[in-house]
Amino acid sequence: AQKVTQAQTEISVVEKEDVTLDCVYETRDTTYYLFWYKQPPSGELVFLIRRNSFDEQNEISGRYSWNFQKSTSSFNFTITASQVVDSAVYFCALSEAGHDRGSTLGRLYFGRGTQLTVWP
Amino acid sequence: DSGVTQTPKHLITATGQRVTLRCSPRSGDLSVYWYQQSLDQGLQFLIQYYNGEERAKGNILERFSAQQFPDLHSELNLSSLELGDSALYFCASKGQNTGELFFGEGSRLTVL
Repeated sequence: AQKVTQAQTEISVVEKEDVTLDCVYETRDTTYYLFWYKQPPSGELVFLIRRNSFDEQNEISGRYSWNFQKSTSSFNFTITASQVVDSAVYFCALSEAGHDRGSTLGRLYFGRGTQLTVWP
Repeated sequence: DSGVTQTPKHLITATGQRVTLRCSPRSGDLSVYWYQQSLDQGLQFLIQYYNGEERAKGNILERFSAQQFPDLHSELNLSSLELGDSALYFCASKGQNTGELFFGEGSRLTVL
C-alpha cells in the first residue's frame, strides 16, 4: 500500500531562516512518482515539483530545493531564506506509475501536510 | 491559473440535500480526478475518469457519484448530504505527456 508521512504538523520560522519539510513514503512499486504541492491560504493546490523514482538527483529551483533519497524513502523539501509569502500548507504526495495514458497514474496519495508559518 | 475550472466555488446547503459540483479539465486533457479535502481525512482520492470512462475508485461513498461527459467536463454528485460531507472538493486533470496533475481551485461545500 502507498503511504506518505509528513511528521511535522506545523513549523514556524522567522523570515530569512532556512526551513526543511520532511516527507517519508512507503510503496512496494519500483516505479513511482513523488510530488510536492503548496496550498496557500486561498485554498488552491499549486504544483511545485514531480520526481520519478529513477532520478535521485537533487533539484534546486530558486530558493527551493528537494532532496530525494531512496535509501531512506524520503523526499525532503528545503526553502532557503524563507519569506512571509511562503506561508502555506505543503503537501508531499506519491503516485504509482502506469503504462498507458488512462492508467491510475495521477492517483495521488497525500501526506497530511505541514503548515509553514513565516513571521516577518 | 491551472486551466482547470471548478464551479461553484462555494456552496452552502442543508443536510439531506443533493448538490452537483462541476469541473472542466484543461484543454486536451482526457483524465479527470476528484479529491476531497477534509479536516478529518486530509486529501483523499475519490474517483478518476478517462475519456468518459471510470478508471479508478478511491474512498468514494455510495451517496456520491460522478460522470464525465463527451465534452470531457465532469460532475460530482453528492446526495443525502451529511454534516461530515463538508469539505473542499478538488478536481484535477492530468497532462497527457507530463503526468502532472493540475488542480482546480476547489469547491467548498458547507453542509448545515
